[in-house]
Amino acid sequence: KAGVTQTPRYLIKTRGQQVTLSCSPISGHRSVSWYQQTPGQGLQFLFEYFSETQRNKGNFPGRFSGRQFSNSRSEMNVSTLELGDSALYLCASSLGTGRETQYFGPGTRLLVL
Amino acid sequence: GQNIDQPTEMTATEGAIVQINCTYQTSGFNGLFWYQQHAGEAPTFLSYNVLDGLEEKGRFSSFLSRSKGYSYLLLKELQMKDSASYLCAVRAFKAAGNKLTFGGGTRVLVKP
Repeated sequence: KAGVTQTPRYLIKTRGQQVTLSCSPISGHRSVSWYQQTPGQGLQFLFEYFSETQRNKGNFPGRFSGRQFSNSRSEMNVSTLELGDSALYLCASSLGTGRETQYFGPGTRLLVL
Repeated sequence: GQNIDQPTEMTATEGAIVQINCTYQTSGFNGLFWYQQHAGEAPTFLSYNVLDGLEEKGRFSSFLSRSKGYSYLLLKELQMKDSASYLCAVRAFKAAGNKLTFGGGTRVLVKP
């Protein structure tokens, strides 16, 4: 089975711009979670989508949003980028029952200048 | 909320054993995960504990004590490729689905 894929792998943006990241889960997985990883804060949960609905949300401002499509692919969007948004954005997929393991994609490294 | 603590860094010699401790405070515990992350790469799943006791998988073992809010990951017969960060993550029952809270990670350096 193919693993979790994320596009793009690297991205450079400037402050004030917006960005959309994409995640394709493992075939058959219906849950997609997004995490932000920075050296200072570690891995922090952004949100989780299951069956096209947001099921969980972390403590991030409203500039961070996401959605999930009927084929379980997910996108996350960050509007009005700030320097502090520079991070590795990881998505993780799982079956969706709530008790299983999450498998991570390679991540998108975002640099905001 | 949840609080997860693990040491920042550990150093060990090739062939030796290293134990990485993780302590947590959470309401509604629903499982503890260990992930390995090499620099610049995604975390990869190592182990999962939801009941007390030891889970063994080859050179890696993970232990959980729910009453003490404590887990450890044991790496035996260390190899150079084991140099990586090891992340402890807890899932809370009150949050439906898959919200994981991660510790800051323990960077393990294996020396020859």
